[in-house]
Amino acid sequence: DAKTTQPNSMESNEEEPVHLPCNHSTISGTDYIHWYRQLPSQGPEYVIHGLTSNVNNRMASLAIAEDRKSSTLILHRATLRDAAVYYCILNNAGNMLTFGGGTRLMVKP
Amino acid sequence: GAVVSQHPSWVICKSGTSVKIECRSLDFQATTMFWYRQFPKQSLMLMATSNEGSKATYEQGVEKDKFLINHASLTLSTLTVTSAHPEDSSFYICSAPRTAAPNTEAFFGQGTRLTVV
Repeated sequence: DAKTTQPNSMESNEEEPVHLPCNHSTISGTDYIHWYRQLPSQGPEYVIHGLTSNVNNRMASLAIAEDRKSSTLILHRATLRDAAVYYCILNNAGNMLTFGGGTRLMVKP
Repeated sequence: GAVVSQHPSWVICKSGTSVKIECRSLDFQATTMFWYRQFPKQSLMLMATSNEGSKATYEQGVEKDKFLINHASLTLSTLTVTSAHPEDSSFYICSAPRTAAPNTEAFFGQGTRLTVV
């Protein structure tokens, strides 16, 4: 399975934008990029996914590099409730998600 | 909207007993569900793929006789931890893809915290 690399942790101030990077240099042409987040003591929650074009939804935006070897999850205005571990995962159509270490986002008031 | 409900949310059991965890898809059908285990401060580890009407597929190193999976209907998968021991204490999480189509988003249960004493 193609791997993803994310920083272990990031910090943000409340109400400021947050850019969470993910590297996936060995991504294949059919891999979709999925993002999930996990709040403490809860199951993960779907955030967004995309293939080539940038994607927006009510939770976040996903910016995908032209060569698809990296992507960035953008939270437009971080709130305290956005503090979580964010996972960038490549989905190879089988819908079986392999989780890496993720990025722990801390939001300061 | 589509939701996955997991029950119980926590359980404490004595060493040597068995524990059953249920995972239900609400408002949608799931021919495939996935079971994960998460130890403290670690990421989720896939244990097995649960297939409706057929045998589960287990990841390497996961004992199928210890972690019994049954997916008898399109909305229910169960994980039974048999003869539980303290090292089985963990956070167990199930998930289901929203549809059977490839690359669909997944919904996760709220998790079950198992403590074996």
